[in-house]
Amino acid sequence: GENVEQHPSTLSVQEGDSAVIKCTYSDSASNYFPWYKQELGKRPQLIIDIRSNVGEKKDQRIAVTLNKTAKHFSLHITETQPEDSAVYFCAASNAGNMLTFGGGTRLMVKP
Amino acid sequence: KAGVTQTPRYLIKTRGQQVTLSCSPISGHRSVSWYQQTPGQGLQFLFEYFSETQRNKGNFPGRFSGRQFSNSRSEMNVSTLELGDSALYLCASSLGVRQYEQYFGPGTRLTVT
Repeated sequence: GENVEQHPSTLSVQEGDSAVIKCTYSDSASNYFPWYKQELGKRPQLIIDIRSNVGEKKDQRIAVTLNKTAKHFSLHITETQPEDSAVYFCAASNAGNMLTFGGGTRLMVKP
Repeated sequence: KAGVTQTPRYLIKTRGQQVTLSCSPISGHRSVSWYQQTPGQGLQFLFEYFSETQRNKGNFPGRFSGRQFSNSRSEMNVSTLELGDSALYLCASSLGVRQYEQYFGPGTRLTVT
């Protein structure tokens, strides 16, 4: 089955700096890659997603890149703010709505 | 539109008991997936339902089961509870099965003592 690895597990940045979280997946058939943000005690929130026919997608301060050949995808957050502090999860899917999640990255943005 | 709702939000059960959790998807969404979240194992897929049919099942024992009703609401059941079943159970709804965006509910926090 699919296996998704996520790095780093924790990331601390200064407010205004950029943050990058990387994920690799094992199943070359995977073609949908969402990212979720989960604040403490809250539900995971979909923040951006990318499909295999696209190499990059941006939404304001957030961007995701996908390298299908290398089987990895990354989340980029620019101009980080304290409210960006949360746990971020990447996921991959090759069929239906079955998502395989990475282990999560705890992002801390220091004011 | 109202978001995904789950009931109950918190539950405490004893080993050996069974439990039923409920999920109401976003209006118009026909697919419901269930996930288990624990500190040790992270987010793990349990099963997915669409049009009252289970489409995919994760690697969980048969004690975990689910169903979906004609109004797309879904329930999951865990029988013969074990301490290791303590977790946050999340459901997610989406429009259909072709990898549409999935939106999560607030979860049910199950504690098994």
